[in-house]
Amino acid sequence: GAGVSQSPRYKVTKRGQDVALRCDPISGHVSLYWYRQALGQGPEFLTYFNYEAQQDKSGLPNDRFSAERPEGSISTLTIQRTEQRDSAMYRCASSLGFAGPEKTQYFGPGTRLLVL
Amino acid sequence: GIQVEQSPPDLILQEGANSTLRCNFSDSVNNLQWFHQNPWGQLINLFYIPSGTKQNGRLSATTVATERYSLLYISSSQTTDSGVYFCAVVDRGSTLGRLYFGRGTQLTVWP
Repeated sequence: GAGVSQSPRYKVTKRGQDVALRCDPISGHVSLYWYRQALGQGPEFLTYFNYEAQQDKSGLPNDRFSAERPEGSISTLTIQRTEQRDSAMYRCASSLGFAGPEKTQYFGPGTRLLVL
Repeated sequence: GIQVEQSPPDLILQEGANSTLRCNFSDSVNNLQWFHQNPWGQLINLFYIPSGTKQNGRLSATTVATERYSLLYISSSQTTDSGVYFCAVVDRGSTLGRLYFGRGTQLTVWP
């Protein structure tokens, strides 16, 4: 089956513009996660959903960042009024369930965001 | 949050050599995963291993949860093994699923 997909793969935008990043999880996966990865670092947690409910948004850096998953499948991460410090790789992951190996997170290819 | 430390930060090997990568974590965990980030930036899941030992081809991993560390073994390394290896954990005390990542080990395998 298909893995996690993300679009766009690359996004170049000007400071002050809004961007929307899309994640399509593995079919049937109930949990969906967003992470951000700076160059030379490991991914850092942003937010996550079980089905359509946002369970934890403590990793979102400020109120310019928001995420939704309205039907419990596809998710969108929106960054308003982008700043140069928002430039990073944005990664999405999904997991099948809540117990044991079902918690394994599978990552998409990421969206490389560059804010000029 | 839980702290994850990986060592060594960099590793350079000749093709065919074996290597051991280490991951230490500061608290009890209920999920531990090893990932390989290849040179194209893809983050590939290698193992889900909160405890015990697993093997997959030339790769194997061992987690000793009581001592809060995990090891990833790569045998007969190949140039395609190059990239960054990440360890990531979920805090056992948390009901949430966020992964905490280490800074990774950069592996370079020369032909």
